[in-house]
This record gives sequence, C-alpha cells and structure tokens, in this order.
Amino acid sequence: AQTVTQSQPEMSVQEAETVTLSCTYDTSESDYYLFWYKQPPSRQMILVIRQEAYKQQNATENRFSVNFQKAAKSFSLKISDSQLGDAAMYFCAYRSAGDKLIFGTGTRLQVFP
Amino acid sequence: NAGVTQTPKFRVLKTGQSMTLLCAQDMNHEYMYWYRQDPGMGLRLIHYSVGEGTTAKGEVPDGYNVSRLKKQNFLLGLESAAPSQTSVYFCASSRHPNQPQHFGDGTRLSIL
Repeated sequence: AQTVTQSQPEMSVQEAETVTLSCTYDTSESDYYLFWYKQPPSRQMILVIRQEAYKQQNATENRFSVNFQKAAKSFSLKISDSQLGDAAMYFCAYRSAGDKLIFGTGTRLQVFP
Repeated sequence: NAGVTQTPKFRVLKTGQSMTLLCAQDMNHEYMYWYRQDPGMGLRLIHYSVGEGTTAKGEVPDGYNVSRLKKQNFLLGLESAAPSQTSVYFCASSRHPNQPQHFGDGTRLSIL
C-alpha cells in the first residue's frame, strides 16, 4: 500500500524568507501524481501545486515550487518570499493513476513578521 | 461560482442519533469523495463515487453510508452516531481521478 510521510509536524519562517517542507512517499508504481494542499484556519483545502511523476521538470506556481526526486521518492515544497498569508497546514498527497488520494499528516507552517 | 457546498457547517449530535451530510457540486464533476479529518492526521477517505448511482468504500467506511442519486449530490449518512465519529468531514469532487480535487469548506460534527 502507498504511504505518504511528512516528518515535520511544525515549521516556522520569517516573512520574506524561504522555507522548504518535506514529503516522502512509498510506492511500487511508476505512474502517479503528487499534490500539495494548503489548509488555512478557515479549513478550506486549497490546491497549491501538482506534479505528474512522468514529468522530470519540477512544477512551479509563482512563489511555490517543488523538488521532485522520483528515485528517492521525495517531493518537497519550497515557498519563496514567505508571506503572512502562507501560514497554514500543508498536506502532501499521492495519487496513483485512476486511484484515490492518500494524504500525509500535515505540516503546520507559522510565518513571523 | 459555488464550487463544492457542504451542509450543514456545524452539528452536535447525541450518541445513537442519525443524520445526513449533504455535498453539492455545480461543476458537473463525475467523481465525488467524502473524507474525515482528525487531529494529527491527514484526511482519510470514507467513501467515494465515480458517477451517478455508484458508490465505493474508501479507507474508513465503517459506520457510514453514502448515496449518489443525482450527479451533483453526494450524501453521507450516519445511522447511529458514535463519539468516535466526532471529526471534521470534507467533501470533494473532480472531473477525472487524475485531476485535482475541489474541496468544500468542511462540516464540524461533534457527537456527545
């Protein structure tokens, strides 16, 4: 069975600095998708970024980028120029082709002014 | 755009009571999902549906039933609520399983 591990329960960063959130996963499949979701105090689940495993190029969305290391089964999220509004829980999620999402336990990110 | 709407947002039940959570989406998505979120854990899939009239079990289906009589609605039922079902429930939908899921705002359910 696939598993997703987020080993950092909490992280903190100063405004305007860069922070990296870690995620590792375990799978025997070659075709899958990886996601980072943000959950602010409002409880909404917001998609931050998505990576297809067959793509070698790391996904980027404005200040958010990933470091996808397929062989190492690692999928970290880098947030550049951190803003106060980035404070939230961040969940890493895995989905094999046509299957269900499996979430990690989350990392709480605090942003200090 | 309404997206995914969950009703109600909060509810308190007594042990043994029954209730139904409603999820409605206006994006014409085929796939719909019910998750629960507990402290210190990620979202866990309860049940899901791959189209109108279909349902399937997820990771933690026990104690819950679902129905998808209309494409836009996915109902989650608790027949006899238990304190262990105290949680935040999220509904989500997607056009295709490989497409990102769109989430509702969640329902906080407390069972005393």
